[in-house]
Amino acid sequence: DTGVSQDPRHKITKRGQNVTFRCDPISEHNRLYWYRQTLGQGPEFLTYFQNEAQLEKSRLLSDRFSAERPKGSFSTLEIQRTEQGDSAMYLCASSPRQGETEAFFGQGTRLTVV
Amino acid sequence: GESVGLHLPTLSVQEGDNSIINCAYSNSASDYFIWYKQESGKGPQFIIDIRSNMDKRQGQRVTVLLNKTVKHLSLQIAATQPGDSAVYFCAETYNTDKLIFGTGTRLQVFP
Repeated sequence: DTGVSQDPRHKITKRGQNVTFRCDPISEHNRLYWYRQTLGQGPEFLTYFQNEAQLEKSRLLSDRFSAERPKGSFSTLEIQRTEQGDSAMYLCASSPRQGETEAFFGQGTRLTVV
Repeated sequence: GESVGLHLPTLSVQEGDNSIINCAYSNSASDYFIWYKQESGKGPQFIIDIRSNMDKRQGQRVTVLLNKTVKHLSLQIAATQPGDSAVYFCAETYNTDKLIFGTGTRLQVFP
C-alpha cells in the first residue's frame, strides 16, 4: 500500500493522559499536513511540514499539542493532558510539493477521550 | 462504523440522475480549489481540482465549475451511482498550499 498510513486507527484514552499518533506519508512527498475533524464538520487545519521544517501552526494547536517530523519522512502528533474536547478524527495528508497539487489523505486516527 | 457529517445538508438523488453540489468559498484570493469525497470512516479522497484561471474542468463523470465573481464552486456528477453516496467537501487554498475546507454536503443516492 503506497498511500498515506496512520497509526493507530482508533484510540480511546482517559482524560489527562498523553497520546501520540503517527503518520507515514507517501514516499518522497515533501509536504505533510495534520487536520482535525469533528462530526458534521470539514477537516480543520492544524499544522504542516515542508520536509522536516514545521512551517505553520493553527491557533487550534494549543500548547498541549506538538507535532514533529524529525527526518522529513514520518510525523508524530502528540496531545498532552487530553481533554474531552480533543475527541475527534485526526487526519494526516501529504503532497509532493508546494503548489497546485492535491493533498492525499490517510484514513485518520479516531480519538475518544473518556 | 463512524458516520461523517451527521448534521450536514443533504442532497438526495435517484440513481442515474445528475447531481449538483454547491460550495461557497471564503477567500477571494484563493487560487486553487479541490473537491473531496469522504465515505464513512475514511479520509477524504481527491475527486477533481481547478485553478482560479479556469472556470470549468471536466473529469470522468465529474465537472467542476468556478465562479470567482460570487466565490462559488460546484461539482456536477453525471449519472449518479450508489457508490457516489458520501459526504463531499470543497477546499480552497492560496499560495501556502494549506487547504481550507468548507461545510460538506451529504449525497444520498437511492434506487
